[in-house]
Amino acid sequence: AQSVTQLDSQVPVFEEAPVELRCNYSSSVSVYLFWYVQYPNQGLQLLLKYLSGSTLVKGINGFEAEFNKSQTSFHLRKPSVHISDTAEYFCAVSRTSGGYQKVTFGIGTKLQVIP
Amino acid sequence: DTEVTQTPKHLVMGMTNKKSLKCEQHMGHRAMYWYKQKAKKPPELMFVYSYEKLSINESVPSRFSPECPNSSLLNLHLHALQPEDSALYLCASSQDFGTGGNEKLFFGSGTQLSVL
Repeated sequence: AQSVTQLDSQVPVFEEAPVELRCNYSSSVSVYLFWYVQYPNQGLQLLLKYLSGSTLVKGINGFEAEFNKSQTSFHLRKPSVHISDTAEYFCAVSRTSGGYQKVTFGIGTKLQVIP
Repeated sequence: DTEVTQTPKHLVMGMTNKKSLKCEQHMGHRAMYWYKQKAKKPPELMFVYSYEKLSINESVPSRFSPECPNSSLLNLHLHALQPEDSALYLCASSQDFGTGGNEKLFFGSGTQLSVL
């Protein structure tokens, strides 16, 4: 079984300040890790993913995430947020199970950027 | 074209109505998915189609009936829904299915469904 824990349901941050959204996962097998963003009234959009290799992954819109195997974490960071980053952010893990890709999403973290 | 298009964007229906949700992609993806997302919750997988065949049904009630007429289209037929079925229904696609778990999902904007 696999699971994802997003510790913060809501993160308020002032514009141009740095932000970190936390994600921890558990799985008995190797998994792939993703961050998706959902803007209001929209579907989910991939921000970045970790498959293998370098533990620091850069994504779109200036976001990056670091995979830490010993701490089973995949925290998302941005050095300076913008109003347009206000959205819901979902961490997800994925693996092949029974011949198909099984994706498990966390409960989401609402990032609220304050002007 | 890197879009997944869903129609309608909003739908209000009574418990005795029959309606359909539509999803279309022209990226040549061979896997298509239906997810259900309740307010302030993560998306939950309902169905997976791979090469136009139903591969996964996550124990979804029979009042939800998926259909994949061709490789670009995915429908979700709704009949005799309950108020608790009100949610955002998201369609997604990926290039392939079961290739190791590392496929990027492309999501549509969803259909916001309200059942009265």
